[in-house]
Amino acid sequence: GAGVSQTPSNKVTEKGKYVELRCDPISGHTALYWYRQSLGQGPEFLIYFQGTGAADDSGLPNDRFFAVRPEGSVSTLKIQRTERGDSAVYLCASSKSGELFFGEGSRLTVL
Amino acid sequence: QKEVEQNSGPLSVPEGAIASLNCTYSDRGSQSFFWYRQYSGKSPELIMFIYSNGDKEDGRFTAQLNKASQYVSLLIRDSQPSDSATYLCAVNILSGSEKLVFGKGTKLTVNP
Repeated sequence: GAGVSQTPSNKVTEKGKYVELRCDPISGHTALYWYRQSLGQGPEFLIYFQGTGAADDSGLPNDRFFAVRPEGSVSTLKIQRTERGDSAVYLCASSKSGELFFGEGSRLTVL
Repeated sequence: QKEVEQNSGPLSVPEGAIASLNCTYSDRGSQSFFWYRQYSGKSPELIMFIYSNGDKEDGRFTAQLNKASQYVSLLIRDSQPSDSATYLCAVNILSGSEKLVFGKGTKLTVNP
């Protein structure tokens, strides 16, 4: 596609539920990033993929968060046992040469 | 010390003035520096990047990098109301990966 596509754009869930957020990067971009942005803050790094492998997952806050990119293209961010503090906009970005191009984000609200 | 620091503002300038946005970073080995603009409710969009010391100009935007001082800035000349947004500084932190670390952003308002 022309840009980074993220689904769903909005997700409302209840505390304790499991959610999946999907990212479809720009065609040909090998690097894919997940960030989380809370109100009034800059994007916070979560994880970065180079191809299929997670090159750096140092930003994942705890083991409830997991991300995969099995075929080196689409990525899924998975959050188990959601907590209210997980509420944020989850941004996906892809890159070919160091410049990140962001999707419109998935706004997660945990009630 | 945070890895990337910005004055959160808000910064308010009149239309036609020069807006100056500043950013400092902690990792002296950082090589790549980016400025993103984020309109309210939208995702960040890349407006400038700079890799070498000195100035880089693109239209009304000038990025300035001083690696010795670990300082990068963005100047917006002839500011327009449409420039009103949050400006995010991002730095490629050398930690063995290609991750970009963002500052909190500076909110700019250009008053007509």
